[in-house]
Amino acid sequence: AQRVTQPEKLLSVFKGAPVELKCNYSYSGSPELFWYVQYSRQRLQLLLRHISRESIKGFTADLNKGETSFHLKKPFAQEEDSAMYYCALKGSYQKVTFGTGTKLQVIP
Amino acid sequence: GAGVSQTPSNKVTEKGKYVELRCDPISGHTALYWYRQSLGQGPEFLIYFQGTGAADDSGLPNDRFFAVRPEGSVSTLKIQRTERGDSAVYLCASSLGPQQGQDTQYFGPGTRLTVL
Repeated sequence: AQRVTQPEKLLSVFKGAPVELKCNYSYSGSPELFWYVQYSRQRLQLLLRHISRESIKGFTADLNKGETSFHLKKPFAQEEDSAMYYCALKGSYQKVTFGTGTKLQVIP
Repeated sequence: GAGVSQTPSNKVTEKGKYVELRCDPISGHTALYWYRQSLGQGPEFLIYFQGTGAADDSGLPNDRFFAVRPEGSVSTLKIQRTERGDSAVYLCASSLGPQQGQDTQYFGPGTRLTVL
């Protein structure tokens, strides 16, 4: 079975402060991990995936297989980062399991 | 170009009725996914199509739910004898397919189903 846990429903930070959105997963094989974002009144969209090892909009995420984590980080939060963030896992097949999401609120 | 579209955007029905939800994927995308998102939850996988065939329907909750994609493009999610617990946002996503390497799913706006 594959499982994704996002422990925080809401994370509030001040503009310019660092952000870390937590994600832990459970999967017996080698998963592919993603972060999706949903801005207000917009569609769910891919933010980044671990195999690309890229930085998107200043966000990065490193897969830590030892801790089974894939936390999303940004050194300086911007107001436009306010959104719902979902961590997701794809296992051996195409089935994608999402976490329950964390709402990021950046306070001006 | 046009993204994934879903119709209707909202559907209100009565308990016990039959509903159909439609998804138009991005042209050329062979893979299509249906998810259900209940309030306060993340999207929950329902079914995955590769072309016309359902490659994985393990997420369908019971036999009241059925989905088709007869020509490998448009898909319809069908729910029989609706129950109040079926109320949710139903999301559709499409992608180029797993053979394309890094396979990004593009989501539609969703259909909000309310069962009274």
